[in-house]
Amino acid sequence: SAVISQKPSRDICQRGTSLTIQCQVDSQVTMMFWYRQQPGQSLTLIATANQGSEATYESGFVIDKFPISRPNLTFSTLTVSNMSPEDSSIYLCSVAYSALNTIYFGEGSWLTVV
Amino acid sequence: AQSVTQLGSHVSVSEGALVLLRCNYSSSVPPYLFWYVQYPNQGLQLLLKYTSAATLVKGINGFEAEFKKSETSFHLTKPSAHMSDAAEYFCAVFNAGGTSYGKLTFGQGTILTVHP
Repeated sequence: SAVISQKPSRDICQRGTSLTIQCQVDSQVTMMFWYRQQPGQSLTLIATANQGSEATYESGFVIDKFPISRPNLTFSTLTVSNMSPEDSSIYLCSVAYSALNTIYFGEGSWLTVV
Repeated sequence: AQSVTQLGSHVSVSEGALVLLRCNYSSSVPPYLFWYVQYPNQGLQLLLKYTSAATLVKGINGFEAEFKKSETSFHLTKPSAHMSDAAEYFCAVFNAGGTSYGKLTFGQGTILTVHP
């Protein structure tokens, strides 16, 4: 299985600030994704992080709020901008291995906005 | 479009009893299906997956799931529950085609409680 590291693992942030979450994978992967899990809820896909081009966002998510970078095949960042308490969630990075048709997740970044 | 329905947001069993977590899917193409487990304050761990090979899939920690096309189901079972199985379980359908490759659509999750 893949080793996927996310930083920070937890953070408490002030309303109106921005936070960047990093995701590092121990091997090159084609597909990387960012999910959000709001308290007591299931996971919702935010966007697909595309290497060398703009991320592809799902309905209800926009680049201005959740800018994503993917400079290479092992690393991606998600920024949560101008945070409000409604952004308090777990943000999870996932990677897809096409040869295995398998998706792995990082440990998540637990974000609390006060 | 693909969707997943998990029947029962909470399931409670006694230690040693059978665990049955229900998952039904909807997909216009042959589905790939996954079960993940989320222990308290942790991320998601892959339990098992179905990718059109054997319909009975064995996973980690003694869990298994059976793909039944006629019932559009992929229920997760374990013969004997252990206290350490207490967690939230998510069923997900995997998009294996085209530009949406790799996207997962999740069910709402089932919280499993195991009583001594």
